[in-house]
Amino acid sequence: DIQMTQSPSTLSASVGDRVTITCRASQSISSWLAWYQQKPGKAPKLLIYKASSLESGVPSRFSGSGSGTEFTLTISSLQPDDFATYYCQQYSTFWTFGQGTKVDIK
Amino acid sequence: EVQLVESGGGLVQSGGSLRLSCAASGFTFSSFEMNWVRQAPGKGLEWVSYISGGGDTIYYADSVKGRFTISRDNAKASLYLQMNSLRAEDTAVYYCVRVASQLLQNWGQGTLVTVSS
Repeated sequence: DIQMTQSPSTLSASVGDRVTITCRASQSISSWLAWYQQKPGKAPKLLIYKASSLESGVPSRFSGSGSGTEFTLTISSLQPDDFATYYCQQYSTFWTFGQGTKVDIK
Repeated sequence: EVQLVESGGGLVQSGGSLRLSCAASGFTFSSFEMNWVRQAPGKGLEWVSYISGGGDTIYYADSVKGRFTISRDNAKASLYLQMNSLRAEDTAVYYCVRVASQLLQNWGQGTLVTVSS
């Protein structure tokens, strides 16, 4: 099974900050990686697919990079609506999620 | 607009059974693969089961294999999850998810299953 490891688990930041979340796969998944945003009591929302492609309607301040086993999600300038939990997810072989990164207010 | 509405969750005793349903609308249901994904309270996301558009290919996570059965009725645009031999660790919100090009693209609002011991 492919394991996904995210870091950090929690990140405290301020509005306007540049935020980076890292995700590591236990084996190469090429670019078959997605990022999701989840707010309390809501379903996850797809942000990024194929490691760096922005889902339609997602603000351009979100970006993704990486391939193989190392990936990052960057929010260029954190907005109030961005305080949430973020999950990486591989879809190379079935579907596996990272444990999540909670972005909260500093 | 794609809509996925889950139902059937509730409180059940350990060892019991429950059947979840997901009503789909806004797209040609039979053309899309579907998944169930769950999230235990305060925890992360876990893929549970997959079914192809025609229902002929099915996969399960090891944690539910032999206890859960996924199925679909394309004429009714509905997805199902029959859950037997439920355990406390099956307590979670269960999401119905539309798959597009392997992506978990559209999610329902979820239905809560609570297994009491």
